[in-house]
Amino acid sequence: KQEVTQIPAALSVPEGENLVLNCSFTDSAIYNLQWFRQDPGKGLTSLLLIQSSQREQTSGRLNASLDKSSGRSTLYIAASQPGDSATYLCAVRTTGRRALTFGSGTRLQVQP
Amino acid sequence: NAGVTQTPKFRVLKTGQSMTLLCAQDMNHEYMYWYRQDPGMGLRLIHYSVGEGTTAKGEVPDGYNVSRLKKQNFLLGLESAAPSQTSVYFCASRPRGKDQPQHFGDGTRLSIL
Repeated sequence: KQEVTQIPAALSVPEGENLVLNCSFTDSAIYNLQWFRQDPGKGLTSLLLIQSSQREQTSGRLNASLDKSSGRSTLYIAASQPGDSATYLCAVRTTGRRALTFGSGTRLQVQP
Repeated sequence: NAGVTQTPKFRVLKTGQSMTLLCAQDMNHEYMYWYRQDPGMGLRLIHYSVGEGTTAKGEVPDGYNVSRLKKQNFLLGLESAAPSQTSVYFCASRPRGKDQPQHFGDGTRLSIL
């Protein structure tokens, strides 16, 4: 059974700092890995999707990497801003499955 | 540009009452999903559908039923609500294809007293 773990559960950083969020998964047979952002009381917004054949994806100040063999992904946020404050969720789509398996998220607070 | 719309946004029920949560998407997506989100546990899949007229069980299906009579709608029913079903419920949809991202609604916050 696929299990997804995100560490740390919470993170507080000063504005302008570069930061890395971690995601690990137990079954490396995946189609893709997706990073989401969730604001309080809101739904999930897709940030980046990395296919199993890819090593990284970039969108603006965000860069996500994937090391399938070791079961790890990182989300790098450059020059953090208070508006980046949210919960970030990692989810994987395991081969043969139609749905995602989610981690429990990292709650990020960027201090002005 | 509505995307995925969930109705209602909030609801309080008494134990034993029944209700239906509605999810509607206007993107012509084949796949639709119902998840629940509990504190510290991430999202867990309740039921999903791969097309009109089809449904399948997810990780935590007990106590819930679903129907997909129209491609754009996916209904989640609670026949006899229990306090353990207090949660935030999210609906999602995606197009066919293994690398298509899921699109989420804003959620329904449900409390069972």
